[in-house]
Amino acid sequence: GAVVSQHPSRVICKSGTSVKIECRSLDFQATTMFWYRQFPKQSLMLMATSNEGSKATYEQGVEKDKFLINHASLTLSTLTVTSAHPEDSSFYICSALGGTTHNEQFFGPGTRLTVL
Amino acid sequence: AQSVAQPEDQVNVAEGNPLTVKCTYSVSGNPYLFWYVQYPNRGLQFLLKYITGDNLVKGSYGFEAEFNKSQTSFHLKKPSALVSDSALYFCAVRAYSGGGADGLTFGKGTHLIIQP
Repeated sequence: GAVVSQHPSRVICKSGTSVKIECRSLDFQATTMFWYRQFPKQSLMLMATSNEGSKATYEQGVEKDKFLINHASLTLSTLTVTSAHPEDSSFYICSALGGTTHNEQFFGPGTRLTVL
Repeated sequence: AQSVAQPEDQVNVAEGNPLTVKCTYSVSGNPYLFWYVQYPNRGLQFLLKYITGDNLVKGSYGFEAEFNKSQTSFHLKKPSALVSDSALYFCAVRAYSGGGADGLTFGKGTHLIIQP
């Protein structure tokens, strides 16, 4: 149980285009999902908290107009990188809050974004 | 603000020897502490967590960690290392905020290398 999937696993796009990444909780409902970003050989940095049915909460320094988050249902959150640039190339990982005590995050496998 | 320190970029251990990966944290209030492992180009795999209760927590793959409140530490340990334990290990913390759902703050990660 408690499986989180991400799609796509890898995407390459041209500079200026937009890319959508999906995060799904497969066997549980998640009112809260999180989006992290990981640069090569660095730690994960929390970008935003996604709550079903409400606006996402962004961490300081994260541009909400560039990284659009939509949590349309209890099992799906999407991250859209708008007008992508090479510096947006990174490993994006989502997690979903679940479990019986709702204090454990289950992580997706990550999406490797490369912007040319 | 909460923070996590993993003072070692890399830990080298001979197969069969005990291993320790260090982690210290800073948080207001009671901490939720986690250890995750990451293999190349993969998402995070949960190892163990401390929420409350016994200070010694046992987790997946024979790993354990000891919560030390006075030293604000949560070191990861294993009695006998395997070559397959070689990976990147992250310590993470979340403050208990009375029901709020907060993202995790991660340490920078420690590369664990088990030598045959």
